[in-house]
Amino acid sequence: AQRVTQPEKLLSVFKGAPVELKCNYSYSGSPELFWYVQYSRQRLQLLLRHISRESIKGFTADLNKGETSFHLKKPFAQEEDSAMYYCALRDAGGTSYGKLTFGQGTILTVHP
Amino acid sequence: DAGVTQSPTHLIKTRGQHVTLRCSPISGHKSVSWYQQVLGQGPQFIFQYYEKEERGRGNFPDRFSARQFPNYSSELNVNALLLGDSALYLCASILVRIAGGREQYFGPGTRLTVT
Repeated sequence: AQRVTQPEKLLSVFKGAPVELKCNYSYSGSPELFWYVQYSRQRLQLLLRHISRESIKGFTADLNKGETSFHLKKPFAQEEDSAMYYCALRDAGGTSYGKLTFGQGTILTVHP
Repeated sequence: DAGVTQSPTHLIKTRGQHVTLRCSPISGHKSVSWYQQVLGQGPQFIFQYYEKEERGRGNFPDRFSARQFPNYSSELNVNALLLGDSALYLCASILVRIAGGREQYFGPGTRLTVT
């Protein structure tokens, strides 16, 4: 069974400080990892896909298959980064390509 | 350009009743997934539909059913509602990339309260 763990429910940092949101997964197949973000009163939005290896809003995430992790990082946090962040996994080799397994989420608060 | 739309926004039902939730995907997307999000938890996968056929089902009882129409819109039905069905129900429209990978774009959700 696939599982995604986000060990921190709450994370607080000050503006300009580095931030790292942790995500660990357990799955023996070919995982595709994502980060989703939900700002206050907005819908869930795709932030990053590990396949594209891009940087969005200054955030990056590297898939570490050895440690089964996909941590989200930003060198200098901004107040507008305050939101709920979800890590999600998709079985890239499975038949149900529409199934995402989500972690519990981390609420990030960036203080001025 | 309309994103994923869901209706209704909010719904209050009584235990034992049934409910139908609706979703319209992004134009050009042929597949949708449904998720249940209970307060304080991440979304949980319920169903995926592609070209009107069920392509995946999560660990939910048979009281939950869904269907997809020729225009790719979808309905989620829940029968014999229980208090524990109170949640935010999310619909996701799935982009299938030719180069591989699948991206899901979420609607605003329907907030269901069962009393």
